[in-house]
Amino acid sequence: ILNVEQSPQSLHVQEGDSTNFTCSFPSSNFYALHWYRWETAKSPEALFVMTLNGDEKKKGRISATLNTKEGYSYLYIKGSQPEDSATYLCAFNAGNNRKLIWGLGTSLAVNP
Amino acid sequence: GAVVSQHPSRVICKSGTSVKIECRSLDFQATTMFWYRQFPKQSLMLMATSNEGSKATYEQGVEKDKFLINHASLTLSTLTVTSAHPEDSSFYICSAPRGATREKLFFGSGTQLSVL
Repeated sequence: ILNVEQSPQSLHVQEGDSTNFTCSFPSSNFYALHWYRWETAKSPEALFVMTLNGDEKKKGRISATLNTKEGYSYLYIKGSQPEDSATYLCAFNAGNNRKLIWGLGTSLAVNP
Repeated sequence: GAVVSQHPSRVICKSGTSVKIECRSLDFQATTMFWYRQFPKQSLMLMATSNEGSKATYEQGVEKDKFLINHASLTLSTLTVTSAHPEDSSFYICSAPRGATREKLFFGSGTQLSVL
């Protein structure tokens, strides 16, 4: 059974703090790893799709790294802002069929 | 960016009735639509994949006669929960890829279904 684990489950930080979360996934049959940001009452929004071991991607203050050999990805947020408050989901794609296995997410709350 | 419009956002219905959920791709053609379900404190689970002009592919354990999927055009996919029961109460959300197989997904905003 393919399983995707995210930690921590939830996180509270102060505005300006930098933070990071982890996504663990099976290290075999890797095809792609997705990160999404999901604000309450909105649609999940894609942040990154990562495909190569050692990949590093950046979007503004948010960046992500990928280690396919050991099966983990880190998402970093630099200088957190209240508008970063959301649930951050990762999803693992084990094959060329677009079927994603999702983690439970990390719920981030940034206090002003 | 690409937009997927999903409605209704919330439905409350009586047991035994059918509920239709629509997802429209507003500015791109969605040849494929993924339908997910999320129960409280659980992860998104893929129910089925609809493909324009062909039969949907259902995941193991999902009854195709209960969850009817229609993808008659490149911009509209519908999920009908037939004869809904309280155990069907859940959050349903659609998403469509745009482009190659490793492309990101564009999601609707979800439908919260409550069956009384």
